Amino acid sequence: EPEVTQTPSHQVTQMGQEVILRCVPISNHLYFYWYRQILGQKVEFLVSFYNNEISEKSEIFDDQFSVERPDGSNFTLKIRSTKLEDSAMYFCASSESPRDSGNTIYFGEGSWLTVV
Amino acid sequence: AQKVTQAQTEISVVEKEDVTLDCVYETRDTTYYLFWYKQPPSGELVFLIRRNSFDEQNEISGRYSWNFQKSTSSFNFTITASQVVDSAVYFCALSGNTPLVFGKGTRLSVIA
Repeated sequence: EPEVTQTPSHQVTQMGQEVILRCVPISNHLYFYWYRQILGQKVEFLVSFYNNEISEKSEIFDDQFSVERPDGSNFTLKIRSTKLEDSAMYFCASSESPRDSGNTIYFGEGSWLTVV
Repeated sequence: AQKVTQAQTEISVVEKEDVTLDCVYETRDTTYYLFWYKQPPSGELVFLIRRNSFDEQNEISGRYSWNFQKSTSSFNFTITASQVVDSAVYFCALSGNTPLVFGKGTRLSVIA
């Protein structure tokens, strides 16, 4: 069964460093997302991406964050100048159609980021 | 604004018991979609079911069943004859005119 894959599964970084989290969405999907889950808390929407541009973003997704689709398969989340409170599980997700068509969003296994 | 409430933070049951996980939602959208995801200890989010707002038919899949009631804005999830492998955090989620919104999750522990 096709799946969303994410790398790395776990990254430890020093505060202030830049981090890039990588994702390979399901191949025929056109809509891509990043969500995050701070330990023990609920999953929160960060950003959605379609046709090489951001379609929606939450208040969490400030200038510290950026997303990119550098080639035909990868979808990346860059966090500049990481802070302790950026420590979380980051989930990449993808769907065939927009979420407001009810299409299911499939999630990857997550990238656990620890900022020290 | 969209909101999902999972009032049960943690539930513990003995294997083979039935268990129901509650989900109550709030939305002003006339068309919306409800989901359940499972997060096992390994951390990934596993899709379980999607339900459209215009389809109130209940669904059964093996030991899993879902009860969608628009009148009470609820989308409850029942596991019949629970197994240790069902131990996980279960999230109810809602989408419509806003991005997918998750509840806080219910941690289910099934004890052998």
